[in-house]
Amino acid sequence: EAQVTQNPRYLITVTGKKLTVTCSQNMNHEYMSWYRQDPGLGLRQIYYSMNVEVTDKGDVPEGYKVSRKEKRNFPLILESPSPNQTSLYFCASSLVPVEWVYEQYFGPGTRLTVT
Amino acid sequence: GQQVMQIPQYQHVQEGEDFTTYCNSSTTLSNIQWYKQRPGGHPVFLIQLVKSGEVKKQKRLTFQFGEAKKNSSLHITATQTTDVGTYFCAGSGSNDYKLSFGAGTTVTVRA
Repeated sequence: EAQVTQNPRYLITVTGKKLTVTCSQNMNHEYMSWYRQDPGLGLRQIYYSMNVEVTDKGDVPEGYKVSRKEKRNFPLILESPSPNQTSLYFCASSLVPVEWVYEQYFGPGTRLTVT
Repeated sequence: GQQVMQIPQYQHVQEGEDFTTYCNSSTTLSNIQWYKQRPGGHPVFLIQLVKSGEVKKQKRLTFQFGEAKKNSSLHITATQTTDVGTYFCAGSGSNDYKLSFGAGTTVTVRA
């Protein structure tokens, strides 16, 4: 089954404790992306990756890091989480854009709470 | 980059009625996509429009892309309880590989 998986699905942590949210897709997609969803703000893109070793900032990259060492995986790293990073996070993948970004396939989401 | 705005934020609809949600961009878009997110779920792709003035239909849903490629609309006829959820539009610019989402329209249906 074609899918995007994320782990963990739920995470409660404390300020400053480094964490990683994993994302994996089995569709051989080149383009992968991370979004955060907050009430009233919709989905905001954090980082995206066009292919292995190619990453770029989205609209809200501050406080986040990503890496793309393998095509299927795109982990999101919070080196020093803060309460304002409490949010619902989605990973997504698609075919590599040519003229525009193609339809995104979303993972189930990770709900992160930072206290 | 582009800013995408969506109105209304909430839409309360009587079952059987029609409604429209609108999406406006501050800049010209290469394409517009629409997604639906059910409560507790993840966004699911509905459709993509790429041509100026393009209109596409999916059963009771009609999607339109404006002539200037800066706005779009989603019209739902004869609303059903299965239409409950949040509808997002999203767009990217020319040779811009960021995808900007609107804040979404959350639809509730009165039976």
